[in-house]
Amino acid sequence: AQSVAQPEDQVNVAEGNPLTVKCTYSVSGNPYLFWYVQYPNRGLQFLLKYITGDNLVKGSYGFEAEFNKSQTSFHLKKPSALVSDSALYFCAVRDGSGGSYIPTFGRGTSLIVHP
Amino acid sequence: DAGVTQSPTHLIKTRGQQVTLRCSPKSGHDTVSWYQQALGQGPQFIFQYYEEEERQRGNFPDRFSGHQFPNYSSELNVNALLLGDSALYLCASSLLGREQETQYFGPGTRLLVL
Repeated sequence: AQSVAQPEDQVNVAEGNPLTVKCTYSVSGNPYLFWYVQYPNRGLQFLLKYITGDNLVKGSYGFEAEFNKSQTSFHLKKPSALVSDSALYFCAVRDGSGGSYIPTFGRGTSLIVHP
Repeated sequence: DAGVTQSPTHLIKTRGQQVTLRCSPKSGHDTVSWYQQALGQGPQFIFQYYEEEERQRGNFPDRFSGHQFPNYSSELNVNALLLGDSALYLCASSLLGREQETQYFGPGTRLLVL
């Protein structure tokens, strides 16, 4: 079985400050990890993924995420938040060991960036 | 480069009715997945189609069925609608193989069942 936990329903940050959106996962095989962003009344937009290689993954719009195997975490980060980053963020995991192609998504974290 | 498109954008149905949602994948993609996103929740996988066959299925009843056409577009059908089927239905496309890992999502169809 696989699961994702996004422990914070909402994250508030001031514009210009660094932001972190947390994600921890559980999977029996190799973790394939993803971050998506969802703006109001829109579908999910791909931000970045970790499949293998460097633990620090850089993605779209200045976002990055760090894969930490020992802590089973994949936190999303950005050095300087913008008001336009305000949206719903989803972490997802799937077992990369083969067989199932079904990703499991977290419940989402609402990021609010204050001017 | 056209992204994933879905139609209609919104739909209102009554309990017991049937609904068909449509999806056109991103250009060059051959695999289509469908998800249900209830209010306040993350997307839940319904099923995935490749080469016109259902490749994998999530934990959804048989009332949920689908189809993929030779041009890779896809339909999601839901029979005997229940109030609990009210949700945003998302279609995602990908390319089978290593790049299959990245799914690109459409804007969704918001279904309201009264």
